[in-house]
Amino acid sequence: EDQVTQSPEALRLQEGESSSLNCSYTVSGLRGLFWYRQDPGKGPEFLFTLYSAGEEKEKERLKATLTKKESFLHITAPKPEDSATYLCAVQDGNSGGSNYKLTFGKGTLLTVNP
Amino acid sequence: EAGVTQFPSHSVIEKGQTVTLRCDPISGHDNLYWYRRVMGKEIKFLLHFVKESKQDESGMPNNRFLAERTGGTYSTLKVQPAELEDSGVYFCASSQDYGGPNFGPGTRLLVL
Repeated sequence: EDQVTQSPEALRLQEGESSSLNCSYTVSGLRGLFWYRQDPGKGPEFLFTLYSAGEEKEKERLKATLTKKESFLHITAPKPEDSATYLCAVQDGNSGGSNYKLTFGKGTLLTVNP
Repeated sequence: EAGVTQFPSHSVIEKGQTVTLRCDPISGHDNLYWYRRVMGKEIKFLLHFVKESKQDESGMPNNRFLAERTGGTYSTLKVQPAELEDSGVYFCASSQDYGGPNFGPGTRLLVL
């Protein structure tokens, strides 16, 4: 069974203090690893997809990286508006039924203080 | 481009009642998914439509849940009869292919 574990559960940073969020995964055949951002009361908002180990994607202050066992979401010089829950999900190309479905982790709640 | 829309945004019902949730995907997206987040748990897959056909409904909790997708456009998820453990946030998502789906804002269901 596919598993996704995110750490830490919560992270509090000062504005400008860079850090990283971790996503460890177990999947029989990784098709893709996804990062989403979720604000309170809203649905997840797509950020990145990573397909193979060594791949990196960047968007503003965020950079996502992927190895064979985990992914990191690096946040450089965060601002208060980066505060949100960050979700990691995997897509298993070897799963029975739909191999489009996502298996999510519980998320990391990031708070950036001014 | 309009995003995925869901109706209602909130629903409070009593145990044993019926509730129907609606999802309108992004126009042209053949893939439509339902997910659910129960308090304290991660978001979990319920089912996947390709156009009007159910591709995978392995995540549906039991036969009290029925999903339909009329003509490959909007979808409904009916819970009948609702139980306390059905409370949570129900998300709909859509995609053109296997890329990251676009999620709707969710329907918050509370069963009393």
